[in-house]
Amino acid sequence: NAGVTQTPKFQVLKTGQSMTLQCAQDMNHNSMYWYRQDPGMGLRLIYYSASEGTTDKGEVPNGYNVSRLNKREFSLRLESAAPSQTSVYFCASSEAGRSPLHFGNGTRLTVT
Amino acid sequence: GESVGLHLPTLSVQEGDNSIINCAYSNSASDYFIWYKQESGKGPQFIIDIRSNMDKRQGQRVTVLLNKTVKHLSLQIAATQPGDSAVYFCAVRGNSGGYQKVTFGIGTKLQVIP
Repeated sequence: NAGVTQTPKFQVLKTGQSMTLQCAQDMNHNSMYWYRQDPGMGLRLIYYSASEGTTDKGEVPNGYNVSRLNKREFSLRLESAAPSQTSVYFCASSEAGRSPLHFGNGTRLTVT
Repeated sequence: GESVGLHLPTLSVQEGDNSIINCAYSNSASDYFIWYKQESGKGPQFIIDIRSNMDKRQGQRVTVLLNKTVKHLSLQIAATQPGDSAVYFCAVRGNSGGYQKVTFGIGTKLQVIP
């Protein structure tokens, strides 16, 4: 039982490049989330998927797209990376709104 | 909007002592509160949660206290150990709904002195 698995762990991109961050959970959770974590700020929600087949914008969605591929997998895509997207990205899942989030160990992304 | 903050950015505690980490929130309609622990290079890890119909909840060596009157949440760690060194942050849900309604605090770094 691995919980939430994110790949890659580290990535360096040049401005304008694209990439997809992968996330998979094996806890049979309905809801999945993508957050970014920046120094001096709390986690901020980028996109979420309340259930398979649905996705919605969070607090900071600009510059990102997501795909809920199936119940297990939720990917985050940066179409044209910008230095402002340098951050640590966390994927998380939960059973429902009033249950705790389970986080992956993050992807550390640097955009130069 | 919701604001969630911590009173102390860094807390140094002697091994074996008790630690108290605080969190203030602004939305009186908040109904679900969670504490997370984040070790360096890792994702946040759930510690304990509490719903708004409770004032206190205990886990293994941890206790969360909720004071809705002053909109304050605290995490108490008993007999603090070196393995407790990490960043701790609270998360507060504004009202009924999913995690799109949750605000995360910036965190308090707990340093345990051996």
